Amino acid sequence: LAKTTQPISMDSYEGQEVNITCSHNNIATNDYITWYQQFPSQGPRFIIQGYKTKVTNEVASLFIPADRKSSTLSLPRVSLSDTAVYYCLVGPLDMLTFGGGTRLMVKP
Amino acid sequence: DSGVTQTPKHLITATGQRVTLRCSPRSGDLSVYWYQQSLDQGLQFLIQYYNGEERAKGNILERFSAQQFPDLHSELNLSSLELGDSALYFCASSGVNEQFFGPGTRLTVL
Repeated sequence: LAKTTQPISMDSYEGQEVNITCSHNNIATNDYITWYQQFPSQGPRFIIQGYKTKVTNEVASLFIPADRKSSTLSLPRVSLSDTAVYYCLVGPLDMLTFGGGTRLMVKP
Repeated sequence: DSGVTQTPKHLITATGQRVTLRCSPRSGDLSVYWYQQSLDQGLQFLIQYYNGEERAKGNILERFSAQQFPDLHSELNLSSLELGDSALYFCASSGVNEQFFGPGTRLTVL
């Protein structure tokens, strides 16, 4: 399974765009990139998933360069309620491994 | 609501005891995953079952075991409990491209 590296923590302010980058140098051909969000004492929740280029949904965008060795989760105009831990996962769709995640703190 | 249910919500027990955590996956999901999350730690994958068969094993201790029954619900058995086993235990079931997590069982070992 591909190892992922992402920042341990990030701070932002309400209304700003937040970009969280994840490195996954040894991503395999059949690996997908998936991001989850977790609030304290709750189970993680799926945010977005992609294989290459750009994916956008109502919550976030995911940018994946051509070499797929990294990916960036973009959260537009964050609010206080976006304060959470964000996990980047790389692997086959049914074999996801959670790393340490990025703890995002959104300040007023 | 993810559609995944876990019982009990909270469990308090003593060292050396044995407990069973239960998980019911979303309707139609064949895969069940178990994770452990200690305080302020990341999620540790324990084990995965697919349609009753063990499919993948993670950092699961020998004192822990799991099974998936014909109706697809799963149980995680934790025995000879130690203080360090205190954690949130999550169950997830998988759809086409994502895992749906239950609300978790908070285990406290005193």
